[in-house]
Formats: sequence, structure tokens, C-alpha cells
Amino acid sequence: AQSVTQLGSHVSVSEGALVLLRCNYSSSVPPYLFWYVQYPNQGLQLLLKYTSAATLVKGINGFEAEFKKSETSFHLTKPSAHMSDAAEYFCAVSGNSGGGADGLTFGKGTHLIIQP
Amino acid sequence: DTGVSQNPRHKITKRGQNVTFRCDPISEHNRLYWYRQTLGQGPEFLTYFQNEAQLEKSRLLSDRFSAERPKGSFSTLEIQRTEQGDSAMYLCASSLWTGKGDTQYFGPGTRLTVL
Repeated sequence: AQSVTQLGSHVSVSEGALVLLRCNYSSSVPPYLFWYVQYPNQGLQLLLKYTSAATLVKGINGFEAEFKKSETSFHLTKPSAHMSDAAEYFCAVSGNSGGGADGLTFGKGTHLIIQP
Repeated sequence: DTGVSQNPRHKITKRGQNVTFRCDPISEHNRLYWYRQTLGQGPEFLTYFQNEAQLEKSRLLSDRFSAERPKGSFSTLEIQRTEQGDSAMYLCASSLWTGKGDTQYFGPGTRLTVL
């Protein structure tokens, strides 16, 4: 069974400040991990994904995430927040390493607020 | 490059009515997924297809729900005898499965309101 925990349902940062969104996962198989962003009344857009290659993954819009197996974490960061980053962010895990359940398991999401 | 499309974008219905949603995946994607998202929550997996075969169904998919992908292209999700608890955003995603680590691309969703 897989699960994802996103710490903090709301995170508020000032424009230009560091963004840190936390994600911890549990998985019985080597995981594939994803971060998606959702703007109001829209679907989900992929920011980045980890598939057991490099532990530091770079994504779109200046975001990156680091896979830490010992901490079972996959936190999302961005050095300098922009007003356009305000959105809902979801961390997700997939156990599709060749078999078994292939649907994504999502966290509850973190609403990122950017203060001017 | 055409993304995943879903129709309708919004559906309002009365309790007890049947509704059907359509999803058109990215062309040549062999996998198609359905998720449900309620307010303030992350998406929850419902079911998925590889080509025309429905390979997995979540326990969330009650017997009032049925999904099809008859020709391995578009898919429909039908909800019979809708209940107020069915009100949610229904999301479709597609991917190209090559053996491991497929990336799912999501459509804009269909927002269902059951009165």
C-alpha cells in the first residue's frame, strides 16, 4: 500500500522568498514520485517526476525536488517565489515498477499563497 | 499538440438521474485513467484502461459507476442514479505505457453537481 503525506495544507511566502513544500511517502516498492500543480478550475499540470535516476530532479518554472530515501521524502523547492506560483500543489506516488496498482496516490495538497 | 480533453466541463443534474462524461486522451497514448477529486482533497484513483481493457478498479468505484473504452481511444464514465455524494470533479489522464514510470497527463476535468 502506498500513501503520501503533505505537511501543511497552506503555505504562505513573500514574493522573492524561498518556497518549500513538504512531501513524505510510503511505498512497498521503489517508488515513482511526482509533483503536480493545479490552478483554480483546471486540471493538473506535471511539474516534475522522480524515476530512480538522479535524486535531484529539476522541473518546469524553476521548481526542483530532492528524493531522500532515508527520510522517505520528496520536498519541492523554488529559490524565489513569483506571484504566478500561487496555486494548489500535489505530491503523488506510483508503485508501477512493472506490476500491481498503477493509479497514482495523491496527497491532500498544499495551497501556496504568495504575499506581495 | 492536443492535450487530454473532457466533455462536458460542467454538469448539473438532479439526484437519481444518470450522467455520462467523455474523455479524449492524447493520441497514441495507450493508458487512460479516471480520478475523482472532491473539494479540498487530492484526486482519488477510480479505474484505468490499457488500450480497451479495464485493468483495475478502485473500491471507490461502486456498482453505479461504469467506465468503457470500446476502441482503445476515447473513454466514457457513466454514473447511474446519481447521489449528492457524487458531486465532485472527475479527472481523466492518459499516458504512454512503455514498461515503467509512465507520466500521466491530465485533462481539465468535468465538474459534477448533484442537486
